[in-house]
Amino acid sequence: EVQLLESGGGLVQPGGSLRLSCAASGFTFSSYAMNWVRQAPGKGLEWVSSISGRSDGTYYADSVKGRFTISRDNSKNTLNLQMSSLRAEDTAVYYCAKVTLAPDSNGYYPWNFDYWGQGTLVTVSS
Amino acid sequence: ELVMTQSPAALSVSPGERAALACRASQSVSSDLAWYQQKPGQAPRLLIYGASTRATGIPARFSGSGSGTEFTLTISSLQSEDFAVYYCQHYNNWPLLFGQGTKLEIK
Repeated sequence: EVQLLESGGGLVQPGGSLRLSCAASGFTFSSYAMNWVRQAPGKGLEWVSSISGRSDGTYYADSVKGRFTISRDNSKNTLNLQMSSLRAEDTAVYYCAKVTLAPDSNGYYPWNFDYWGQGTLVTVSS
Repeated sequence: ELVMTQSPAALSVSPGERAALACRASQSVSSDLAWYQQKPGQAPRLLIYGASTRATGIPARFSGSGSGTEFTLTISSLQSEDFAVYYCQHYNNWPLLFGQGTKLEIK
């Protein structure tokens, strides 16, 4: 059974930093790209960042580029999101999500998400 | 930049009836379109990917259609558990984008 378990959320002051983690199990972690998606309170879904299975490709939303860093440790089946220079508008539930399919022969991932964690709440406030 | 627009923002339908939710992309995304269902306090659930392929375990009453810029999620006979918020998402290029959602309510 696929499981994704986020941790690391909490209350942080504007300008501060926080590191989120996602522990994965139930699938061959290194074969699948992973992603972070967030949802501000009462709002819709916003894609944040993605990383390929071998970490040779990382991608960011403009809203977090230069402030957030996605990484993964395939030996520990863990996905991370290092967040710095946090702003009030970064307040959200952060979900980690697994892509549906392993890459094709060209290394292409279809970047849709079949399994999601339960989310971890990040609150940026003074 | 590409924009994803869902319509309507909210839809009231009676159980047993059919619902059609629309998603429009401001430029072609080919068939790189997914649909998700989200209930309050829960993570999203993948329903459809590739515009028309049902994800594992999704009932046959959910179907997706369209390509290019116009897409539709159809729920053929609404069950009580189907009342939720539905999001479309394109994955044709970067950045990935979700639509703003359609709230499906009980009439």
